[in-house]
Amino acid sequence: NAGVTQTPKFRVLKTGQSMTLLCAQDMNHEYMYWYRQDPGMGLRLIHYSVGEGTTAKGEVPDGYNVSRLKKQNFLLGLESAAPSQTSVYFCASSYPAYGGNEKLFFGSGTQLSVL
Amino acid sequence: GQNIDQPTEMTATEGAIVQINCTYQTSGFNGLFWYQQHAGEAPTFLSYNVLDGLEEKGRFSSFLSRSKGYSYLLLKELQMKDSASYLCAAPDNYGQNFVFGPGTRLSVLP
Repeated sequence: NAGVTQTPKFRVLKTGQSMTLLCAQDMNHEYMYWYRQDPGMGLRLIHYSVGEGTTAKGEVPDGYNVSRLKKQNFLLGLESAAPSQTSVYFCASSYPAYGGNEKLFFGSGTQLSVL
Repeated sequence: GQNIDQPTEMTATEGAIVQINCTYQTSGFNGLFWYQQHAGEAPTFLSYNVLDGLEEKGRFSSFLSRSKGYSYLLLKELQMKDSASYLCAAPDNYGQNFVFGPGTRLSVLP
């Protein structure tokens, strides 16, 4: 059971370039999330999805787009990368829980550097 | 909105006990989570509290007081491998969106 898989693990971009991060989960989870983690700021939610074909904005959505065409995949796109988007990105998934008692399963993270 | 606060760094000695505090302000309450994150790795689930009181899991325990908006993670018999960041998190009213605290980086010294 692979759990949550993120690709790539590392990426270096030049300012203005675009890229897509792929997250895949094999646990049949309904909910999927993209977080970024910066020193001293903890995990901040970028976008999330509560089911196939649906997406919603999180705390820091500007400069990012997402798609959830298949239940098992959640893609994060950067259309025009900026140095402020240098960060570690984590994908996560969970079962739906009306009451919030389902834990998150995280991918291994992607270190992105924008020069 | 939701706001979660915890100390940034703590240091403790191998074999000792350490308590990591978390205070939260949430518009609704659907429980409180603790995650462990080793450097360069993904967070992993440690504990979940939704009722007041202490939940014990081996060397780790987590406490919740809903009236005070307060939780703590208690680590006993500290080991070097417990050196990690500990993240406090709370879901929103619908359980769809988790808000995380800044994390507490714990260093266990020999």
